Amino acid sequence: KQEVTQIPAALSVPEGENLVLNCSFTDSAIYNLQWFRQDPGKGLTSLLLIQSSQREQTSGRLNASLDKSSGRSTLYIAASQPGDSATYLCAVKSFNKFYFGSGTKLNVKP
Amino acid sequence: ETGVTQSPTHLIKTRGQQVTLRCSSQSGHNTVSWYQQALGQGPQFIFQYYREEENGRGNFPPRFSGLQFPNYSSELNVNALELDDSALYLCASSLIGEGTEAFFGQGTRLTVV
Repeated sequence: KQEVTQIPAALSVPEGENLVLNCSFTDSAIYNLQWFRQDPGKGLTSLLLIQSSQREQTSGRLNASLDKSSGRSTLYIAASQPGDSATYLCAVKSFNKFYFGSGTKLNVKP
Repeated sequence: ETGVTQSPTHLIKTRGQQVTLRCSSQSGHNTVSWYQQALGQGPQFIFQYYREEENGRGNFPPRFSGLQFPNYSSELNVNALELDDSALYLCASSLIGEGTEAFFGQGTRLTVV
């Protein structure tokens, strides 16, 4: 059974810092991996999608990498801003469904 | 904005009652999935619908059921509500296929008292 773990569970950084969020998964037989952002009480906003054959994807200040063989992905956020404060969820797709981690709650202090 | 809309945004039900949640998928998407997210946890897969048929189910009891309509909109029905059913229910739409991207709605917050 696929299990997804995100470390750290919470992170507080000053504005302007570069930071890395980690995601690990136990079964490398995945179709893709998606990073999402979730604001309190809200739905999920897709940030980046990495196909199983890809190594990384970039969008603006965000860069996500995927090492399928080792079951790891990282989300790199450059020059963090207070507006980046949210919970970040990693999800791996196997067959018809996504398996989610519990998320990393990020607080960027002004 | 993802184009996936859910209704209602919040509701409160009494234990034992039944509830119906609705989802309108993004234009052109033929697959709808439902997830349950308890407070502080990641979403858990309930089931997926494709071409009006259930196309995969997670570890949820039969009192969780669904429908998909010809326009690809969907309903999640929960019978005999329990206190533990209190959660954020998320709908995701996508195209069928292995590597397709999923887009989520804003969720329905269900509270069972």
